[in-house]
Amino acid sequence: DTEVTQTPKHLVMGMTNKKSLKCEQHMGHRAMYWYKQKAKKPPELMFVYSYEKLSINESVPSRFSPECPNSSLLNLHLHALQPEDSALYLCASSQAPDSYQPQHFGDGTRLSIL
Amino acid sequence: TQLLEQSPQFLSIQEGENLTVYCNSSSVFSSLQWYRQEPGEGPVLLVTVVTGGEVKKLKRLTFQFGDARKDSSLHITAAQPGDTGLYLCAGDNTGTASKLTFGTGTRLQVTL
Repeated sequence: DTEVTQTPKHLVMGMTNKKSLKCEQHMGHRAMYWYKQKAKKPPELMFVYSYEKLSINESVPSRFSPECPNSSLLNLHLHALQPEDSALYLCASSQAPDSYQPQHFGDGTRLSIL
Repeated sequence: TQLLEQSPQFLSIQEGENLTVYCNSSSVFSSLQWYRQEPGEGPVLLVTVVTGGEVKKLKRLTFQFGDARKDSSLHITAAQPGDTGLYLCAGDNTGTASKLTFGTGTRLQVTL
């Protein structure tokens, strides 16, 4: 069982909908990440939060809006997505962003845009 | 932009065979991690290597980090069906392991 929990596991939404993906970890990790993974491709980094502050945004379109309410939670708010945004969205956490601590991944949310 | 090329892209072997997966780059990495991902799940960390020339063993898996820290290999001895999955190397050249670039992936299938 993964120690990073993502909900929902599956999400189908229309292009005009607003939805949110949620990620939770209780390992005391202070760095959290969002990745996007298309079929048969490796994960691509989207955002990095370090001590609840956004530290890296890999030029992600504004229709994706991350939020880190506290050190255990990470959200990804979705609005006006496009069909090409359909993918597996992975959340990860690590002990700290300034160490060689490994990243622990959740099982992802499989998102389909109609 | 960092680029991590893995080879082979796909490998289908029978139980008991040995195999090696390669991860190559023109960039120097301060650390490199190997993950295995199974369908419907997130990547699971297998190992982190940080020193050039380092060799780490995890049961039947042997990981090596190149002397120049630009490449790595994963060798599996006597593969089993449970080894089936997508193997991903991931490198960091910021010294923080916070900005990983994943390799292109190697999909391994081990049959009875």
